[in-house]
Amino acid sequence: DIQMTQSPSSLSASVGDRVTITCRASQGIANYLAWYQQKPGKVPKLLIYTASTLQSGVPSRFSGSGSGTNFTLTISSLQPEDVATYYCQKYNSAPWTFGQGTKVEIK
Amino acid sequence: EVQLVESGGGLVQPGGSLRLSCAVSGFNVNSNYMSWVRQAPGKGLEWVSIIYSSGYTHYADSVKGRFTISRDSSKNTLYFQMNSLRTEDTAVYYCAQPTFDYWGQGTLVTVSS
Repeated sequence: DIQMTQSPSSLSASVGDRVTITCRASQGIANYLAWYQQKPGKVPKLLIYTASTLQSGVPSRFSGSGSGTNFTLTISSLQPEDVATYYCQKYNSAPWTFGQGTKVEIK
Repeated sequence: EVQLVESGGGLVQPGGSLRLSCAVSGFNVNSNYMSWVRQAPGKGLEWVSIIYSSGYTHYADSVKGRFTISRDSSKNTLYFQMNSLRTEDTAVYYCAQPTFDYWGQGTLVTVSS
């Protein structure tokens, strides 16, 4: 099975900072990669699908890039409401494995 | 409006069984894939199972042979039969179409003696 590895596992940044989270697949998955945001006690929310397509209603400060094995989620200007854990997920074929998550906090 | 409403969670002893249900409204449960995702307390998301529109199913290694995903189009409901439960199966279970951003509210399964 393909493994999904996110880094870092946590980060602390200041409001307005540019934040980058990476997700690496152990084998190529084309662009079948989604990113989710989960706030404490809440259901996950889809941010990005097909690696770079912004889900409707998601602020434009979020962006995704990559294909094959290396992917990136970028928050261009971190806001207080972005405090959450972020997950990548592959969905080219089952199992639809999630990354282990990246916890984002405000410094 | 799309709604996914899970039920059936609760407390069960190790080795026991539970059946989760996910009542779907807003689309046909047969029309696309449906999956189960779980989250143990304080842990990350874990993909558990999927059923495609074709009926093909797949399971995470951690539940293979113990859990079964199914659906009933007449009731527009997704099911998850969980047998031989272990303490490590304790989690909130979500039915979801995550790539469409459709999630249930989650149902807590606690496996403990």
